[in-house]
Amino acid sequence: AQKVTQAQTEISVVEKEDVTLDCVYETRDTTYYLFWYKQPPSGELVFLIRRNSFDEQNEISGRYSWNFQKSTSSFNFTITASQVVDSAVYFCALSEAPGVSGSRLTFGEGTQLTVNP
Amino acid sequence: DTGVSQDPRHKITKRGQNVTFRCDPISEHNRLYWYRQTLGQGPEFLTYFQNEAQLEKSRLLSDRFSAERPKGSFSTLEIQRTEQGDSAMYLCASSARQANTEAFFGQGTRLTVV
Repeated sequence: AQKVTQAQTEISVVEKEDVTLDCVYETRDTTYYLFWYKQPPSGELVFLIRRNSFDEQNEISGRYSWNFQKSTSSFNFTITASQVVDSAVYFCALSEAPGVSGSRLTFGEGTQLTVNP
Repeated sequence: DTGVSQDPRHKITKRGQNVTFRCDPISEHNRLYWYRQTLGQGPEFLTYFQNEAQLEKSRLLSDRFSAERPKGSFSTLEIQRTEQGDSAMYLCASSARQANTEAFFGQGTRLTVV
């Protein structure tokens, strides 16, 4: 069975601080995919990044960076110089190799990030 | 707007009534998913369509729930004899034919059963 754990329920920071959102996953599959989504108050889940299990290279996109460590089954997300607009719920998700279930996602419980001015 | 569209955005219904939600995926996407999200939780998978075929249903999808995707285009999710426990956000997502491409989500339908 797959499982995603986001231990941080809520994080509150002051604008311009760096913040890291933790994600730990469990799966028996050797091929799998990891995702981060952002859910602003409007409710729509916004895709941020997808990584496959064979690619442990860290990635940076503007103020966002992701650290994938297979050895610790973690896929952490860092926002540098946070801004008020970053306030949202962030979800880490896992999908197994494609099969009868397509690419269904198993989500963590989310981390509510609040960036205060 | 060519994103995933869901209708209605909000629905309030009395316990015992039937409700139906609609999802229009991104036009070239052949995969469509329904998820349910309760307050403070992450979305949970309900069901998956590839074109018009419903290939998987979660145990969460009781007999009161039914989903269709006629002609492989839009999809509907119907809940019969609604219960208060059905109150949640129902999210639809679609993705392209290639395996494990990212899913694009609609804004959801928030259901409140009173």
